[in-house]
Amino acid sequence: DAGITQSPRHKVTETGTPVTLRCHQTENHRYMYWYRQDPGHGLRLIHYSYGVKDTDKGEVSDGYSVSRSKTEDFLLTLESATSSQTSVYFCAISESFRASFGPGTRLTVT
Amino acid sequence: RKEVEQDPGPFNVPEGATVAFNCTYSNSASQSFFWYRQDCRKEPKLLMSVYSSGNEDGRFTAQLNRASQYISLLIRDSKLSDSATYLCVVNIVSGGSNYKLTFGKGTLLTVNP
Repeated sequence: DAGITQSPRHKVTETGTPVTLRCHQTENHRYMYWYRQDPGHGLRLIHYSYGVKDTDKGEVSDGYSVSRSKTEDFLLTLESATSSQTSVYFCAISESFRASFGPGTRLTVT
Repeated sequence: RKEVEQDPGPFNVPEGATVAFNCTYSNSASQSFFWYRQDCRKEPKLLMSVYSSGNEDGRFTAQLNRASQYISLLIRDSKLSDSATYLCVVNIVSGGSNYKLTFGKGTLLTVNP
């Protein structure tokens, strides 16, 4: 399996608090992605990165920001969490178009 | 129109059946195509790439029709272990030479004894 880890794996937080999810890779892949997965919606792209400090928005980027200061780490931040951001978050990495996924982070916002 | 659309399913089939999944994409500049499999509460995993000439991997056959912007996955002789959600994935060029992976909503397959 590709070397991708996500932390934390589970988190419960209160509405209005900031939350940062981390994706770490050991594969030196150029592309990194953050998706959220919700029943009835499938996997939706939040943000992605195509290099250090190079990021772009996906289809559901409102309320989220990202940073990539080094190749191996891609951070997803919810500045002020809302209940609608309760979801499972997956990180993915890609080099030659094929993607490998991390194990996911289950986030609950109460 | 959604960038990637899949059969909504769910599909319930007996063991040994043949089942086909279909997917359409809207961006004609899409460059590469895949099928992923996702088991319950797990991350998606690559099942197979989809090539223009069609490709086969054991009981699985993938087809691509660029003219119709259509992708398919055929599973022959279904096994209980094939029960999962199948995701159609398209690589869409974004902002020059960068690309982003876009997923269909997935189709749930349940293979029954």
